[in-house]
Amino acid sequence: GIQVEQSPPDLILQEGANSTLRCNFSDSVNNLQWFHQNPWGQLINLFYIPSGTKQNGRLSATTVATERYSLLYISSSQTTDSGVYFCAVDLNSGNTPLVFGKGTRLSVIA
Amino acid sequence: GAGVSQSPSNKVTEKGKDVELRCDPISGHTALYWYRQSLGQGLEFLIYFQGNSAPDKSGLPSDRFSAERTGGSVSTLTIQRTQQEDSAVYLCASSFRTSFPTGELFFGEGSRLTVL
Repeated sequence: GIQVEQSPPDLILQEGANSTLRCNFSDSVNNLQWFHQNPWGQLINLFYIPSGTKQNGRLSATTVATERYSLLYISSSQTTDSGVYFCAVDLNSGNTPLVFGKGTRLSVIA
Repeated sequence: GAGVSQSPSNKVTEKGKDVELRCDPISGHTALYWYRQSLGQGLEFLIYFQGNSAPDKSGLPSDRFSAERTGGSVSTLTIQRTQQEDSAVYLCASSFRTSFPTGELFFGEGSRLTVL
């Protein structure tokens, strides 16, 4: 089946720093989403981004489908950005549910 | 409703008992998904419903797990004869999907199951 790899697995940042999270996938995909899981466990949609670039405040994401990767950028990080960031994809064939990566655990310290 | 609603939010049960977890998707969403997340782990796909099509049960870990979706809306996930390894957060998601691809998923807050 499709493989979704996220890096780094863990990241510690000083408040105000910038970071880039990466998601690599092993097959052609038709959909890609980034989620943030906050410390209380709630999964929040960040981006629905099968291709191209989107920005929302301090966050932006870029997906290069032809090269099978997506990047999530966090600028001027805040302690509230802490949590786990998941990338999820579905295949460009068949009728399959989203497959999740194992996530990047981000800790932003003041 | 405004979002995906799950109940109960927390459930503690004894090994061997049956449990039912409920999910009420966003109104108008045609697709409904159940995932499981063990402590500190990623999300494991369990089952997926799309409209009136037969559900994709490929992720169910054993025949003790079953799910149904009545009237194309509310879904119930049932775990029979619970085991300690069933302890996890069970997450439901829905999307407006009339055809491939998946569409944007929206998650509920989850049901935390603890089997003693």
